[in-house]
Amino acid sequence: AQKVTQAQTEISVVEKEDVTLDCVYETRDTTYYLFWYKQPPSGELVFLIRRNSFDEQNEISGRYSWNFQKSTSSFNFTITASQVVDSAVYFCALSEEYNTDKLIFGTGTRLQVFP
Amino acid sequence: DTGVSQDPRHKITKRGQNVTFRCDPISEHNRLYWYRQTLGQGPEFLTYFQNEAQLEKSRLLSDRFSAERPKGSFSTLEIQRTEQGDSAMYLCASSLVNSNTEAFFGQGTRLTVV
Repeated sequence: AQKVTQAQTEISVVEKEDVTLDCVYETRDTTYYLFWYKQPPSGELVFLIRRNSFDEQNEISGRYSWNFQKSTSSFNFTITASQVVDSAVYFCALSEEYNTDKLIFGTGTRLQVFP
Repeated sequence: DTGVSQDPRHKITKRGQNVTFRCDPISEHNRLYWYRQTLGQGPEFLTYFQNEAQLEKSRLLSDRFSAERPKGSFSTLEIQRTEQGDSAMYLCASSLVNSNTEAFFGQGTRLTVV
C-alpha cells in the first residue's frame, strides 16, 4: 500500500532561519510521483513541486529546495531564510504512474515563522 | 477568475439533513477530483471523473455520498442524512489528462454538522 509520513507535526522558527520539512513515503510501484503542496489559512492547496521517481536530481527554486533520496524513500523540503509569509501547513503527497492526480497525502507539517 | 471554484465556501447543517456542494473546474480540464480533509489531517481521495464518467470511488465514499458530473463540466457532491463525522473540508481539484501539469485545487467547502 502507498503511504506518506510527515513525522513533524509542527515546526516553529524565527524569520531568516532555514527549516527542513521531512517526508518519507512507501510504495511498491517502480514509477510514481512525489509532490509538495502548501496550504495557507485560506485553505486552498498551492502546488509547489512534482518529481517523478526516475529523477533524483535535487531541485532549487528561489528559497525552496528539495532533496529526493530513493535509497531512504525520502523527499525533504528546505526553506532557506524563512519569512513570515511561509507560515502555512505543508503537505507531501504521492501518486501512481497512471493517475498522477490521485494523491495520497501525508498528515502535513504546520510551519510557523515568527518575526 | 479562471481557477477551480467551489460553492458554498461554508455550510452549517443539522444532523440528518442533506447537503450538496458544487465544483466548477478550470474550463478545459477533463478530470475532476473530490477530496475530504478533516482537522489536522491531509486530504483523502474520495472519487474522480474523467469527463462525465465516474472512474473510481474510494471506500470512504459511503452510500450516503453521491457525486455527479452530468455534462463533463461542473460536479456536485451530495451527502444524505449527514452525520457529525461528515464535518470536514471538501476539496475539489481539476486537471487535464496527459498534460504533464499538476492538478489545481479549489478553496474547498467547509461543512459543519451540528
